[in-house]
Amino acid sequence: EVQLVESGGGLVQPGRSLKLSCVASGFTFNNYWMTWIRQAPGKGLEWVASITNTGGSTYYPDSVKGRFTISRDNAKSTLYLQMNSLRSEDTATYYCTRGVAYWGQGVMVTVSS
Amino acid sequence: DVVMTQTPPSLSVAIGQSVSISCKSSQSLVYSDGKTYLHWLLQSPGRSPKRLIYQVSNLGSGVPDRFSGTGSQKDFTLKISRVEAEDLGVYYCAQTTHFPYTFGAGTKLELK
Repeated sequence: EVQLVESGGGLVQPGRSLKLSCVASGFTFNNYWMTWIRQAPGKGLEWVASITNTGGSTYYPDSVKGRFTISRDNAKSTLYLQMNSLRSEDTATYYCTRGVAYWGQGVMVTVSS
Repeated sequence: DVVMTQTPPSLSVAIGQSVSISCKSSQSLVYSDGKTYLHWLLQSPGRSPKRLIYQVSNLGSGVPDRFSGTGSQKDFTLKISRVEAEDLGVYYCAQTTHFPYTFGAGTKLELK
């Protein structure tokens, strides 16, 4: 059974940093691209970042480019999202996903002073 | 960016009724490999989204065959035959053909 378990969320002040982690199990992690998708409270879904199976290429929307960094450790079957220069509009539940096929339970990030 | 226009924004249905949700994209969703990466998701209240349909018409694992997807290029439809109580929630279409990946705004399915 595919499982994706996120951690690392919490309350953070604007301008500060936070790093999310996602531990994957139930599939061969290094065979798949991985993705972060977020959902602001009461809003729809927004793609945040994707990374190829080797980690050699990464992709971001303009809204987070230059501030967020997706990475992975295939030996640990773990996906990361380093979030810098956080803004109030980054407040959301962040989901670790394998494409859109499998989703974690989500982790809440609140950016507020 | 590819804009995904999903209609209607909400539906009020009776159990056993059939419904359709439309999703139109601003560009063709056919990728260079010939496949169309248009998917349908359901987010039940308080839950993570779940994939129902992938690549337009393929049923996800464990998804009842009351769900079906059709369409091509820029025009797609999700049909739910004989709605059941467990089908209630917000439906999203999603495209992963082009970066940035984008989603429809959602269709909220409620009980009449």
